[in-house]
Amino acid sequence: EAQVTQNPRYLITVTGKKLTVTCSQNMNHEYMSWYRQDPGLGLRQIYYSMNVEVTDKGDVPEGYKVSRKEKRNFPLILESPSPNQTSLYFCASSLSGVTPHEQYFGPGTRLTVT
Amino acid sequence: AQSVAQPEDQVNVAEGNPLTVKCTYSVSGNPYLFWYVQYPNRGLQFLLKYITGDNLVKGSYGFEAEFNKSQTSFHLKKPSALVSDSALYFCAVRARMDSSYKLIFGSGTRLLVRP
Repeated sequence: EAQVTQNPRYLITVTGKKLTVTCSQNMNHEYMSWYRQDPGLGLRQIYYSMNVEVTDKGDVPEGYKVSRKEKRNFPLILESPSPNQTSLYFCASSLSGVTPHEQYFGPGTRLTVT
Repeated sequence: AQSVAQPEDQVNVAEGNPLTVKCTYSVSGNPYLFWYVQYPNRGLQFLLKYITGDNLVKGSYGFEAEFNKSQTSFHLKKPSALVSDSALYFCAVRARMDSSYKLIFGSGTRLLVRP
């Protein structure tokens, strides 16, 4: 089954404790992206990747890091989480970042930072 | 600035009645427009998209959307609503960046279909 998976689905952590949210897709997609969803703000892009070893900042990259060493994986790293990073996070992938293909979304990771 | 607006936070409709969820956009160049739906505790699911051609686009679950260039709108419609259509709906426009593209999402509209 074609899908985007994220782990963990739920995470409660404390300020400053490094964490990684994994994202994997099995569709051989070139383009991958991370979003955060906050009430009334829709989805805002954190980072995106056009292909392996090619990543760039989205609209709200502060406090986040990403890497794209393999085509299928695109982990999101919070080196020192803070309470304002409490949010619902989505990973998405698309066949290409150049052509207007739809994006496929993972199930989401709800992060709480205390 | 490139943007998407969904002017209604919530739309209420009775089952069996037609529904419309509104979306307007502002983008430079040709607009590529998308609708996504989010059910509780789930990720976003693609419903339909407009790239070019016929202004009326048909998508999943009986939804359709009408592209109107002069009004810069892309409203989502369904002739007869179902209770199971109750969800959060997002409009998005593909915007050109320096060397790539990004999706800009609206703030979302919650659709509530009452029995």
